[in-house]
Amino acid sequence: AQKITQTQPGMFVQEKEAVTLDCTYDTSDPSYGLFWYKQPSSGEMIFLIYQGSYDQQNATEGRYSLNFQKARKSANLVISASQLGDSAMYFCAMRPPNAGNMLTFGGGTRLMVKP
Amino acid sequence: DTEVTQTPKHLVMGMTNKKSLKCEQHMGHRAMYWYKQKAKKPPELMFVYSYEKLSINESVPSRFSPECPNSSLLNLHLHALQPEDSALYLCASSQEAGVGYTFGSGTRLTVV
Repeated sequence: AQKITQTQPGMFVQEKEAVTLDCTYDTSDPSYGLFWYKQPSSGEMIFLIYQGSYDQQNATEGRYSLNFQKARKSANLVISASQLGDSAMYFCAMRPPNAGNMLTFGGGTRLMVKP
Repeated sequence: DTEVTQTPKHLVMGMTNKKSLKCEQHMGHRAMYWYKQKAKKPPELMFVYSYEKLSINESVPSRFSPECPNSSLLNLHLHALQPEDSALYLCASSQEAGVGYTFGSGTRLTVV
């Protein structure tokens, strides 16, 4: 069975600073996909970044980057230059192969950006 | 069109009511999903439709009845719900393989 762990229930970061949100996963499948989503209080799940298990380079999307360490089974999200609008819940998720394309989510991290 | 549209955004229903949640996408995605999310918890998968056929039912009580009338629409019919069913219900769609996995903004359901 696949498992996703986010060990930080809540975090504070000062505006304009960088922050790292931790995510570890457990799977025996060699092929999988890792996602990060942002969920503001409005409820919408906003896709941020994707990393495939066979991707050679760490994924980047604007201010978001994924620190993918395959041997350690970690996929930490790095947000650079935090903005007040980054305050939200952040979920790490994994899509294993041959699982109906479903996502398994970690417990989430609530990020609060201080002005 | 790169959106998944869910209606209504908010719904309050009694335990004897019958209501339906609607989800629509026009991205050509052939897989559609229903997730349930309780407050301060991650989304939990309820149902998966692949090519308009139900492929996964995560042991969801029969008071929740999904329907996929065509490749763009997904409904969730609700009947005789309990107060503990109050939650955010999220619809999503995806390609069969690849990265494209898009969520709607959800329906906040309150059962009274």
